[in-house]
Amino acid sequence: EVQLVQSGAEVKKPGESLKISCKASGYSFSRYWIGWVRQMPGKGLEWMGIIYPGDSETRYSPSVQGQVTISGDKSITTAYLQWSSLKASDTAMYYCARPSSIAAADGFDIWGQGTMVTVSP
Amino acid sequence: EIVLTQSPDFQSVTPKEKVTITCRASQSIGSSLHWYQQKPDQSPKLLIKYASQSVSGVPSRFSGSGSGTDFTLTINSLEAEDAATYFCHQSSSLPQTFGQGTKVEIK
Repeated sequence: EVQLVQSGAEVKKPGESLKISCKASGYSFSRYWIGWVRQMPGKGLEWMGIIYPGDSETRYSPSVQGQVTISGDKSITTAYLQWSSLKASDTAMYYCARPSSIAAADGFDIWGQGTMVTVSP
Repeated sequence: EIVLTQSPDFQSVTPKEKVTITCRASQSIGSSLHWYQQKPDQSPKLLIKYASQSVSGVPSRFSGSGSGTDFTLTINSLEAEDAATYFCHQSSSLPQTFGQGTKVEIK
């Protein structure tokens, strides 16, 4: 079964660092892009960026460029999203998602269950 | 950045009724437009890809059409389980973007 399993909910203070994970299984991890999508409480979906695990090519939305780092580890088929200094405005549900084909531009048909990140003093 | 504008923002519909949601792109995106359904406390689910291509496992009452800048998601004969928020998503150019969502409520 193709699936993405994300790490658990996090509660952090402003200024702290964080790395959340997305463990892939059931397919060739290196051949499919993985994207990250943010959903603030009660709001819509926001595309943050995407990584190709095969060569770690990464693209970011301008809205998060420099604020987060997307990475991947082929050896353990896991993608990551990390922050060096969290802000209260980073409070959101974060999803990883995989396109339905090896094309980066395909629709996301596999989604993780989401990781809720809460940043509060 | 390509902006996707969905209409309406909210729709209250009776079962068996037909639902039409539109998504307009700020510039031409060809057919690189995908539709998702999201129910409360669930991850989004892909319904339609590349504007009109069906997705395995999705009921046939869901269909999509359009190209360029104007797209439509149609739900024929709405069922109670279709109560959800629907999002469009363009992958034509970076950054990829989503529409603001359309919430469908069952009367």
